[in-house]
Amino acid sequence: GAVVSQHPSWVICKSGTSVKIECRSLDFQATTMFWYRQFPKQSLMLMATSNEGSKATYEQGVEKDKFLINHASLTLSTLTVTSAHPEDSSFYICSATDGTGNNEQYFGPGTRLTVT
Amino acid sequence: SQQGEEDPQALSIQEGENATMNCSYKTSINNLQWYRQNSGRGLVHLILIRSNEREKHSGRLRVTLDTSKKSSSLLITASRAADTASYFCATDDRGTYKYIFGTGTRLKVLA
Repeated sequence: GAVVSQHPSWVICKSGTSVKIECRSLDFQATTMFWYRQFPKQSLMLMATSNEGSKATYEQGVEKDKFLINHASLTLSTLTVTSAHPEDSSFYICSATDGTGNNEQYFGPGTRLTVT
Repeated sequence: SQQGEEDPQALSIQEGENATMNCSYKTSINNLQWYRQNSGRGLVHLILIRSNEREKHSGRLRVTLDTSKKSSSLLITASRAADTASYFCATDDRGTYKYIFGTGTRLKVLA
């Protein structure tokens, strides 16, 4: 089956620094990738949709200047949390679709970010 | 909010019993997927059911879909302690192709 990886799996950073999270599709070309955020004991909330070679589309309430998304190739999308604050501590999960008509999505294992 | 809702929010059962979780959504969909998530871990894909399907089975899992009511159910038969986890449904909006997750059901299976 299709595999999506994320790196790192967990990261701790200090307030004010930036953190980059990578999402890779390992065995298929991902025309579209999605980024989700999950706070403890809550569901996943879609943050943004990124298409290869174009600007990401952000969901309402998500700051595009704080969460920079780059989908530079068909196998890689990155999420950079800029000037991180403790309230950005969360579980970040990406998913990818290969653009076929059935719209199946494949999820990465997630990255746990802790901002101290 | 377009987020779907699941009920119950929490469910506690004895090992060997069946567990049923329900999911309601708001838009027209292509697919509905069910996922499991153990505490602090990533998502595990359980089953995908397409909008033209009404029922699907996978091992001890049975999923139904009623597009007229915009609802789905996940049945886990003969539950095991290892089934303890949170379960989420996710639907893709037919217009935007974005997947929206339900609020989740926390299942606890007691040994």
